[in-house]
Amino acid sequence: DTEVTQTPKHLVMGMTNKKSLKCEQHMGHRAMYWYKQKAKKPPELMFVYSYEKLSINESVPSRFSPECPNSSLLNLHLHALQPEDSALYLCASSRGAGNTDTQYFGPGTRLTVL
Amino acid sequence: QKEVEQDPGPLSVPEGAIVSLNCTYSNSAFQYFMWYRQYSRKGPELLMYTYSSGNKEDGRFTAQVDKSSKYISLFIRDSQPSDSATYLCAMRGNTGNQFYFGTGTSLTVIP
Repeated sequence: DTEVTQTPKHLVMGMTNKKSLKCEQHMGHRAMYWYKQKAKKPPELMFVYSYEKLSINESVPSRFSPECPNSSLLNLHLHALQPEDSALYLCASSRGAGNTDTQYFGPGTRLTVL
Repeated sequence: QKEVEQDPGPLSVPEGAIVSLNCTYSNSAFQYFMWYRQYSRKGPELLMYTYSSGNKEDGRFTAQVDKSSKYISLFIRDSQPSDSATYLCAMRGNTGNQFYFGTGTSLTVIP
């Protein structure tokens, strides 16, 4: 099973709302990632968790707050977003540091900020 | 200079053609090389991955890595309309968790 699941598939929120994106994998992977992807652009790395610890934060604004409750789950908490934050948010996982071969992506959450 | 360069296209070919997609890179430490297919408004789907240099074949797809030239290719034989998508190359080194993506090449296969 090489499946990464993400919920919700679509999300529309106002600039004052608080919402969360969820990602789950059951492949025993120990590295998980959040990416942001705008139309016709490659994914842009936001955060990397390795063994449930934040290892990379690509200077992402604090209105995005990641959380890794356990090795299978990854959340992205959203607060006070801007319309330019509208994008496809992708979660990915890989086996983990020291033996990381490739990433498997989820289907993404399409976020629209009004 | 970007870490990974990829011609964005668009590339349009007739059904049955052989398609060649390419990426170049600058970091000689890259060891793992991947090709993803992304349909419109969907997440990237892993197609092929190779470690270090060489060829790898899977059905109609062949991935090639030439580390001496810092050049990777994906060949699609007998292309089908269902192959119409954006193809992203990605790569990384032996350490750390950061993957580097090309900009993606948009491919259309015309029936």
